[in-house]
Amino acid sequence: QVQLQESGPGLVKPSGTLSLTCAVSGGSISSSDWWFWVRQPPGKGLEWIGEIFHSGNTNYNPSLKSRVTISVDKSKNQFSLNLISVTAADTAVYFCARVPYSSSLLDYYYAMDVWGQGTTVTVSS
Amino acid sequence: EIVLTQSPGTLSLSPGERATLSCRASQSVSSSYLAWYQQKPGQAPRLLIFAASRRATGIPDRFSGSRSETDFTLTISRLEPEDFAVYYCQQYGRSPPLYSFGQGTKLEIK
Repeated sequence: QVQLQESGPGLVKPSGTLSLTCAVSGGSISSSDWWFWVRQPPGKGLEWIGEIFHSGNTNYNPSLKSRVTISVDKSKNQFSLNLISVTAADTAVYFCARVPYSSSLLDYYYAMDVWGQGTTVTVSS
Repeated sequence: EIVLTQSPGTLSLSPGERATLSCRASQSVSSSYLAWYQQKPGQAPRLLIFAASRRATGIPDRFSGSRSETDFTLTISRLEPEDFAVYYCQQYGRSPPLYSFGQGTKLEIK
C-alpha cells in the first residue's frame, strides 16, 4: 500500500521560502498517478495547491501560481513543494496526497485516495 | 471557477439517525469528478466517495453518494459514533483551479 510522509521545517520567516518534501513508499512515483499538495489553515477548510506527474508536468492553483513550484525526484521517490515570499496567511497544515489511475475504470479517480499525515508550517519571525 | 457550497454548516444528530449532507456546484460538474471526504481533528482527510457515488476501498456501505443536476448529496444511513466529523466535497474541473473543495459540513453529536 502506498504511504506518504511529509517533512520540512515547521517554522519559516516572513518573506522566506517554505520547502517541504513528500516521500512515497510502497509504490513508485513513476506510476500513472498524480501527486498533490493540499493545505489547511488553522480552523479552516482545504485548499488545493497543485499537482505533479512523474514526467514533471504540473498544474497549480491560480491563486498561488506566481509563488509555488512543485518538483519530482524520481531517484528518491519523492516530490517537493516550494512556496516563496511567504506571509502569515501561508500558515497551515500542509498535506501531500495522491490521485490514482484506475486500471479497472480506465480513468483517474479525480479524488485523493492516499494522504500524508500532514505537517504544520508556521510563518512567523 | 466552480464554487462548491455545502449545507448545512453544522448538522446535529444522534447515533442511529440518518444524515444528509448537501454540496451544490455553481455550474455543471460531471458525476465523474465529485468526491466526498471525512476529516477528524488532527487527521488527514479520508476519501469516502469518488465519482459522486462510488465508495472508496474499505468504506462502509452506510455511506452513499448521489447527484441531482448540480446538487450532490452524501447520505449516512445510520450514524455510528465514529461518523461525527467534518465532511468536505471536492470537484475536478477542466479550467483552473482544477481542484476545489467545499467549505465543509460539521456533523456533531446532538
